[in-house]
Amino acid sequence: NAGVTQTPKFRILKIGQSMTLQCTQDMNHNYMYWYRQDPGMGLKLIYYSVGAGITDKGEVPNGYNVSRSTTEDFPLRLELAAPSQTSVYFCASSYDKIKVIGNQPQHFGDGTRLSIL
Amino acid sequence: DQQVKQNSPSLSVQEGRISILNCDYTNSMFDYFLWYKKYPAEGPTFLISISSIKDKNEDGRFTVFLNKSAKHLSLHIVPSQPGDSAVYFCAASTTFSSGSARQLTFGSGTQLTVLP
Repeated sequence: NAGVTQTPKFRILKIGQSMTLQCTQDMNHNYMYWYRQDPGMGLKLIYYSVGAGITDKGEVPNGYNVSRSTTEDFPLRLELAAPSQTSVYFCASSYDKIKVIGNQPQHFGDGTRLSIL
Repeated sequence: DQQVKQNSPSLSVQEGRISILNCDYTNSMFDYFLWYKKYPAEGPTFLISISSIKDKNEDGRFTVFLNKSAKHLSLHIVPSQPGDSAVYFCAASTTFSSGSARQLTFGSGTQLTVLP
């Protein structure tokens, strides 16, 4: 019962490099999310997706891109890494019958700790 | 502007006693409130939630209280156990303006330490 799986767990990048953070879920959730957590702060939403082929910006989308070609996968791409993107990144997913059942909690992966030097 | 605030970065409690974690919010559009628990090197895990139409929700040792007029909620853990030591995040939920999904706004967290 894997839930939400994120890879890699740790990564160090140089300024200007690019990389993709992987996220996959096996719960058949339509909704997926990417957050970042800076030290001493709460999680902030970067991008979200309500289904394959549909993505939208969250609170802090600048410097990131996402795609959603399948229900299971929701990769996050950094094109030109900057020191301000040093953070812990969390992927989450949730059930989509929100209007019927009410609020559904989001299930989180264990995070990717990214340092940009 | 922080719409969800947890003003206590840390809290220490003796095992067996009550832990009370507090959270304040400013946005009246929030209609669900959730508490997440986070251990080091792991993702947050859902603990308990409450709808804005209720003032209390209980699940075992965990109870969440909501005071809408004060825009305040609290999480009570009774009795506290050493395994409860973790960071606790308060989160508030509303629907995105597109109406397509739910948006969570998180507080900055409170580190709870339960001393044996």
